Amino acid sequence: ETGVTQSPTHLIKTRGQQVTLRCSSQSGHNTVSWYQQALGQGPQFIFQYYREEENGRGNFPPRFSGLQFPNYSSELNVNALELDDSALYLCASSSAAGGSYEQYFGPGTRLTVT
Amino acid sequence: GENVEQHPSTLSVQEGDSAVIKCTYSDSASNYFPWYKQELGKRPQLIIDIRSNVGEKKDQRIAVTLNKTAKHFSLHITETQPEDSAVYFCAASFRDDKIIFGKGTRLHILP
Repeated sequence: ETGVTQSPTHLIKTRGQQVTLRCSSQSGHNTVSWYQQALGQGPQFIFQYYREEENGRGNFPPRFSGLQFPNYSSELNVNALELDDSALYLCASSSAAGGSYEQYFGPGTRLTVT
Repeated sequence: GENVEQHPSTLSVQEGDSAVIKCTYSDSASNYFPWYKQELGKRPQLIIDIRSNVGEKKDQRIAVTLNKTAKHFSLHITETQPEDSAVYFCAASFRDDKIIFGKGTRLHILP
């Protein structure tokens, strides 16, 4: 198992609500990436955080936002939840920014929007 | 656009036989190609990766090959075992710091 942790494990929200997911990176890693994995699909890149700033973003609307803290942990915030936001949300940490470094995933947060 | 295509979507092989999963990518500047294994209900686990300056890499029963000209890379698993049953994802890095995943291959090892 990697040293990447996520909370909560599961979450149920109602359409229109807001949610915050949390991720702690592996020791020695300064970069966190967030992914959305719908059932039966591969992880889709949401964005990456390095030095507390967004470094690269996928095709997700602005209601998906994030933060990174000085200890390299990170949050993913989703506003105005939609039914299609139901998915497994994975974070991955790496030792440097960009897409060319080994990424290690956390166990994920299963979000259900009703 | 940025894309990674993965085939097949499902693969069944007899225990002890070899399995091959193929991926293509769209950006000639991509330089990092990891493979992940995801068992049911678990996180994706990095099993092997290759960089663009290398054509092949092996780790015990697993190997990855890269053809930069064709923008094609493959995962080879030899002497398959029941514990190899899982979903396998290829991925590629893109110049805007994204990493794009394929849609996955569900591998079944038959007894």
